[in-house]
Amino acid sequence: GAGVSQSPSNKVTEKGKDVELRCDPISGHTALYWYRQSLGQGLEFLIYFQGNSAPDKSGLPSDRFSAERTGGSVSTLTIQRTQQEDSAVYLCASSLSSGAAYEQYFGPGTRLTVT
Amino acid sequence: TQLLEQSPQFLSIQEGENLTVYCNSSSVFSSLQWYRQEPGEGPVLLVTVVTGGEVKKLKRLTFQFGDARKDSSLHITAAQPGDTGLYLCAGSLTGGGNKLTFGTGTQLKVEL
Repeated sequence: GAGVSQSPSNKVTEKGKDVELRCDPISGHTALYWYRQSLGQGLEFLIYFQGNSAPDKSGLPSDRFSAERTGGSVSTLTIQRTQQEDSAVYLCASSLSSGAAYEQYFGPGTRLTVT
Repeated sequence: TQLLEQSPQFLSIQEGENLTVYCNSSSVFSSLQWYRQEPGEGPVLLVTVVTGGEVKKLKRLTFQFGDARKDSSLHITAAQPGDTGLYLCAGSLTGGGNKLTFGTGTQLKVEL
């Protein structure tokens, strides 16, 4: 079956612009996670959804970052007024349900470059 | 502050050699996972360990979870070029919910 897909695969934007990153989880997976991977910080948790609710937003680095999930499926991560330090690969993962026992399947990521 | 420290950071070896990657923390994890990531792709799960002292084998890969559930190791026997990649440990903190805390990563290159 289809895995986790993310779009776009690459995004170059100018400092100060807003960007939207999309994640399509595996069908039937109720939990969805966003992570960020950068050279300096490694792979960091941003936010996770169970259904359409976000019980843990603790990893969002600032109020410029927000995410939503609709219909228990697609999720969008929005970064407003992008800064150069936002440049990173943004990874999405989904799992059958929330909880450490459930394997997280990762998408290929969106590489964001802020110039 | 990085909760999970991996060592070594980089490793370049010849085909057929053995290697061990370490993942250490001062925190206790309810479970710990090992992933391998290749360029342009997301991490792929190799194994999950949940019991202190647990040892799991996956072909030439042996994974161990420390007795105190604070550390783990990955041992590869007779490495092959196909083992090349970024190896990441990741843990679920006890009481930390569902998010994964990732290690700093070990970049492995196996040459012919």
